[in-house]
Amino acid sequence: EVQLVQSGAEVKKPEESLKISCKGSGYIFTTYWIGWVRQVPGKGLEWMGIIHPGDSDTRYSPSFRGQVTISADKSISTAYLQWSSLRASDTAIYYCARPRNEYELVHFDYWGQGTLVTVSS
Amino acid sequence: QSVLTQPPSVSAAPGQRVTISCSGSNSNIGNNYVSWYQQLPGTAPILLIYDNNKRPSGIPDRFSASKSGTSATLGITGLQTGDEADYHCATWDSSLSALVFGGGTKLTVL
Repeated sequence: EVQLVQSGAEVKKPEESLKISCKGSGYIFTTYWIGWVRQVPGKGLEWMGIIHPGDSDTRYSPSFRGQVTISADKSISTAYLQWSSLRASDTAIYYCARPRNEYELVHFDYWGQGTLVTVSS
Repeated sequence: QSVLTQPPSVSAAPGQRVTISCSGSNSNIGNNYVSWYQQLPGTAPILLIYDNNKRPSGIPDRFSASKSGTSATLGITGLQTGDEADYHCATWDSSLSALVFGGGTKLTVL
């Protein structure tokens, strides 16, 4: 069974750093892209970017390039999303998601449970 | 401001049919496949439709979708109270080189 299990909720202060994770299981981790999607509470979905764990090829949305870093450690089947300096506007639920097949970057059919990140002084 | 435009809300009675629109441009819907997601309250999205009109296994045929030009439409027939959720359209935008979503539509089953 394919599963994406994300790390737990975080409460951080502005300017702090953070790295959240997404562990894949039930499939060959290195053959599928993994994407990250942001959802501010009460708002829509925003695609942040995507990584191919096999070769670390990474694509970013123009809206998030330079604001976050997406990475992966294929040895432990885990993808990461990190911030070097959080802002209050980063408060949101962050989902990782996997596309339907190895050739797609879109059409996510498996999602993590979401990680709530709260940034407040 | 989302790249794709959806109505904020729609409503219909149980058993009825509802449609949700998603409007874009040539750089996104006009030249790329559209997908639709259902997001029940407090949960992660579920893929309902991919490649404009295909349903993943396990998705009931009450859910259908189509695309014409730079717009796409999701249709739900035989509405049930369990269909109350947010529905999101998505597609690749070739100009942005990014996946873009609509703002989401809240479906209320009266």
